Amino acid sequence: DVKVTQSSRYLVKRTGEKVFLECVQDMDHENMFWYRQDPGLGLRLIYFSYDVKMKEKGDIPEGYSVSREKKERFSLILESASTNQTSMYLCASVGGARQPQHFGDGTRLSIL
Amino acid sequence: GQNIDQPTEMTATEGAIVQINCTYQTSGFNGLFWYQQHAGEAPTFLSYNVLDGLEEKGRFSSFLSRSKGYSYLLLKELQMKDSASYLCAVLNAGNNRKLIWGLGTSLAVNP
Repeated sequence: DVKVTQSSRYLVKRTGEKVFLECVQDMDHENMFWYRQDPGLGLRLIYFSYDVKMKEKGDIPEGYSVSREKKERFSLILESASTNQTSMYLCASVGGARQPQHFGDGTRLSIL
Repeated sequence: GQNIDQPTEMTATEGAIVQINCTYQTSGFNGLFWYQQHAGEAPTFLSYNVLDGLEEKGRFSSFLSRSKGYSYLLLKELQMKDSASYLCAVLNAGNNRKLIWGLGTSLAVNP
């Protein structure tokens, strides 16, 4: 079974802090994704990566950056956290085209 | 533009059958996924359709008509644990990695 692990289930940070969300997958998947999910807005793609050190912007990249130094790990960085970044963050990975994305348990992030 | 439409909410009774519809308009098409998401949890994969027709998997079936840009998820013998949000997502032929997501259908199963 594919295992996608996010470092925290719940996280509380302050406005202006730099926040790191970590995601690790154990299936040697090339493609990894970061989403945020808000009520009424569904899943929105922030960034994705299709290989080590490769990244592409998703639909809402503003205020975020990512890092993929190793194939199994994909990090999401909030450069200077703001209250409108309070959300559920979900990481996913997929092995190839037409395969389902597998999700981590999510991180519920609150910015105060 | 690219668009996926699903009903926002549905209600059904335990033991009944419910059909959740999804219509899509995308610039390309390389398959359609259905996911289930319980409140506070991550989405989990239910089904994938790329050819027209019905795919059955236990109590859940998924149907696709590419010419109509239409899919449905059929849930039979509903159980209380089926109360969840059901997400429809299209794999765009132009990019085989990203999914275009619908907003989800929240299904409430009542006793």
